[in-house]
Order: sequence, then structure tokens, then C-alpha cells
Amino acid sequence: GAVVSQHPSRVICKSGTSVKIECRSLDFQATTMFWYRQFPKKSLMLMATSNEGSKATYEQGVEKDKFLINHASLTLSTLTVTSAHPEDSSFYICSAPRQGTGEQYFGPGTRLTVT
Amino acid sequence: GEDVEQSLFLSVREGDSSVINCTYTDSSSTYLYWYKQEPGAGLQLLTYIFSNMDMKQDQRLTVLLNKKDKHLSLRIADTQTGDSAIYFCAEERGYSTLTFGKGTMLLVSP
Repeated sequence: GAVVSQHPSRVICKSGTSVKIECRSLDFQATTMFWYRQFPKKSLMLMATSNEGSKATYEQGVEKDKFLINHASLTLSTLTVTSAHPEDSSFYICSAPRQGTGEQYFGPGTRLTVT
Repeated sequence: GEDVEQSLFLSVREGDSSVINCTYTDSSSTYLYWYKQEPGAGLQLLTYIFSNMDMKQDQRLTVLLNKKDKHLSLRIADTQTGDSAIYFCAEERGYSTLTFGKGTMLLVSP
């Protein structure tokens, strides 16, 4: 079964509104989680590293004020897309590594459409 | 270069073996991964290999790692139509951050 969940699986919002996406590790604790963005027929682009108890680390070119990340507990990270615009429409996927192993699991993804 | 490279497309017949190839760039990668993505879905971890291994077998899947050439391959034996998907190769570049290839679309015909 799934070990990382995401909610919602798809969301449609209007330009200018904010959207929150949740990522949960289901049967292990994750001090670190990752947020990726995937464009159609493209590979995954790492956006940021979510760190429990400290600030997220953003990749170059990713606006931290636009993509707010909060890692509130050892099983939950949230990504909030603020003041969304149509160009933010994309597939957002989170991942969580299981510490002490090489395993890294991905959530099922969230399809965001901004109208 | 900095990219993880994969061929974009592979077509095989049901029952044949599929081999998907990947070249990576970071010789210090600890783990290398293969993920499967079906349309509209997230990534499913298929298998991964520790960098000090040359081969790993898991049921129908065989991973071969050539560290000298930085080449990774995934062999799927007895390929089925349900194996049709996009397969991503990824290398770990420290602190569990993964860098992905662009994915290989595998099409299995009956």
C-alpha cells in the first residue's frame, strides 16, 4: 500500500487565490521531505527540501514567498501556492526518504489547475 | 554534463524482455533508483541499488550498475502490457536529493 499520501489529488482554483497541498508519510517518520514539480511529458524538477523544525531549503529559481513550505510534524509537510497564477498549473509531487535505508517514496501527486 | 540521460522511448512485444538504459553523472551517488509512472499518477519505487553493488534482482526486474561508465540499466523479464508506463532513472546527489532523467516511455504491444 501507499506509504506517502497527498491531499488533494486535484484542485482547481482561481487566479489570485492560495492553495495548500498536504504530504504525509503514513508508516514512518520523515524529518525531511521533498517537493517536486512536473510539467507535461517532462521530468521532475526539485523545488525545495522541507525540514522538520526548521526552514525549507529552496532550489535556485524557486520563489520561497510564493511556494510556502511548512513541515509541522515528522509525518506532515505542506506546500502552499500563494497568489496562484495560470503558469503555476502543474503536477506537484512530494517524496519522503525512509531514514536508514535507500528507500524514497513518492506521493500520488496533486494536479493544480489555476483558471 | 549535469543531466541524467535516458532514451525517450522503447517499444517491445508482450513476453519479450525490456531493457531501459540510463547514464548518470555523479560518481559519488550513494543510491540509484528506478521509478515507474503511469498516466496521471505519482511515482512508484520499483527498485534501487546501492552504489557498491553491480547487480540487483527482484522478481522480474534486474538492475545492472557499471560505475566505471556511470551506466545503469533496468531489465524487465517477460514484459506485460501492464508494464507500459514511463520509467525514470534517478541518482541521489547527497542528503537524499534525487536528480531524475527525462523518463523512458515503455510501450508493450500484445
